[in-house]
Parts: sequence; C-alpha cells; structure tokens
Amino acid sequence: EPEVTQTPSHQVTQMGQEVILRCVPISNHLYFYWYRQILGQKVEFLVSFYNNEISEKSEIFDDQFSVERPDGSNFTLKIRSTKLEDSAMYFCASSVEGYGYTFGSGTRLTVV
Amino acid sequence: KNQVEQSPQSLIILEGKNCTLQCNYTVSPFSNLRWYKQDTGRGPVSLTIMTFSENTKSNGRYTATLDADTKQSSLHITASQLSDSASYICVVANRHQAGTALIFGKGTTLSVSS
Repeated sequence: EPEVTQTPSHQVTQMGQEVILRCVPISNHLYFYWYRQILGQKVEFLVSFYNNEISEKSEIFDDQFSVERPDGSNFTLKIRSTKLEDSAMYFCASSVEGYGYTFGSGTRLTVV
Repeated sequence: KNQVEQSPQSLIILEGKNCTLQCNYTVSPFSNLRWYKQDTGRGPVSLTIMTFSENTKSNGRYTATLDADTKQSSLHITASQLSDSASYICVVANRHQAGTALIFGKGTTLSVSS
C-alpha cells in the first residue's frame, strides 16, 4: 500500500536554529499538508499546498514557517528560527482530491 | 466556533470486550466525519469516512455511526484485541475546502488489557 514517508523520524535542534522536515507524498497525489501535534494535545492544521502554491494556512503558520516542493517528489517544511514551543510531532499528509488523506508517521521535533 | 468533542477521554477494557466511543461536533458546513486510529508516536490511520447521507459504516471490527441531525457520531469496537490499544480520534471536515477542512478532536485513549 502506498505510504507517505517522512524524514527524519526524530530531530533535535537548538533554539534559534533552522530545521527542514522532509516528506515524500504518494506519487499520484496532488494536495499536500502539514499538521502538528504538541504532546498531549490535538492535531492542528498548519498549511495546505496545491499546484505549487499554498492554498490555505492557519494562524500558527507565521513567517517563521515556509513550505516547498523543490523537485516534484519531496515536500518540505522549514522552520527558520526554532522556538521551544515548536517542539511537537509534525505530520505530513497527501491526498488525490482533498478527500482521502494519507498521513506519514511524523517527525518528532525537539527544540532545546 | 468549529469544535469536535470526544468522550470519554480515556477508557480501559478487558480483551474480548466491546466498547463505544462518542463524538459530538459543531462544524459547519459539514462535509464528512472520519475516525482515525493513532498509535503512540505514529501518524493517524483512517478507519472510516462518512458523508452526510451515511448513517453507519463498518471496517472489520470497527463500526461508526453518524447522526447528522444531532451532530453526533460513535465508534463501536467489537471483540477488542490488545492491538486496539491506541488513541481514537474523531475528525470532521468542512465542505469544499482542503487542509483547513480537518478539525480534530482530542481523542479517546483506549487501553485493552489481558
């Protein structure tokens, strides 16, 4: 069964450093998303991406965040200057038509 | 405000027993309701997706119901197994949107013991 692949599975970074989280969506999917889940809290939407541009973003997705699809297969989330409160599980998801999502296993980001 | 509330927050049952998890939502306009299973440290995995016109949907030992009038859903797990131990998340989608459409509940943590 096709999977959404995320790397790394765990990333530790110092506060103020830049991090890039990587995702390989399912190959025929057209919609791509990033969600995050702070420990013990609900999953929250960050951003959706379609046709090489951001289609929607939440208030969490401020200027510190950016997304890119650099080569037609990878989908990345960059956090420019990490803060302690950015520590969370970050999930990438993709879908064909915006309906049937497939989530990746997540990247656990720890900011120290 | 669009919200999804789940109960109970946590549940412990013996292997082989049945259980029912509840979900109430105030999401409008409604598109569909999903139940996901999330193992610790893993991404959510879809169990069922129901649209407005569907009252019930099954996936093996999982049966979801939807009452769009009262805005309530339930997930019934039959003959529980140890591997059912996970968080079960109710997610409601807005109509005609992608990404922001998915509004997550906090989940019910189910522990199945032998």
